[in-house]
Amino acid sequence: DAMVIQNPRYQVTQFGKPVTLSCSQTLNHNVMYWYQQKSSQAPKLLFHYYDKDFNNEADTPDNFQSRRPNTSFCFLDIRSPGLGDAAMYLCATSRSGSSSTDTQYFGPGTRLTVL
Amino acid sequence: RKEVEQDPGPFNVPEGATVAFNCTYSNSASQSFFWYRQDCRKEPKLLMSVYSSGNEDGRFTAQLNRASQYISLLIRDSKLSDSATYLCVVNGAGGSYIPTFGRGTSLIVHP
Repeated sequence: DAMVIQNPRYQVTQFGKPVTLSCSQTLNHNVMYWYQQKSSQAPKLLFHYYDKDFNNEADTPDNFQSRRPNTSFCFLDIRSPGLGDAAMYLCATSRSGSSSTDTQYFGPGTRLTVL
Repeated sequence: RKEVEQDPGPFNVPEGATVAFNCTYSNSASQSFFWYRQDCRKEPKLLMSVYSSGNEDGRFTAQLNRASQYISLLIRDSKLSDSATYLCVVNGAGGSYIPTFGRGTSLIVHP
């Protein structure tokens, strides 16, 4: 059974048209992460939630916002997508975020295309 | 210097070969280490954790060298299905428990 679910798996949007990606988890993990991954690059952390506590990476553009209405769900909003935002967006969870042995569980990703 | 560095490859090896990847990390206070496997256009999946004493899982062996600040992954008897990108992940590299990823090493196993 899928533990970290992302919808949609593929998203096509137009330049400047807002888009929302969603992630849900059945693991009851405290921490949820959003990563952006471009071809042949490492996943780049955009932000993470430790429970309801939002943590933004310093170099995450303002264009990217996130919401976590409850433990299970987390959303990534891209307010005005540019061509450079085309990428795979990965959602991940980890149990506590406060243990060195925490491992991450990834969703299948949403591949975003910007036309 | 990047926090976690990997040779991107690709490593192109025949079936049955033994291949090894290294990953170096810059923060000596890093506490835990992992290898993830990522297939093309798929999400990363945990391959194995890396312990101070080293650990082995079938054909895969991971080792940690704290003195030189690197971890390694050895794959014996390579299979075609081992073709993937192998991502090195370090916890605590930035002084927190947020994982830091290397850019991955690409492995291609050919017949």
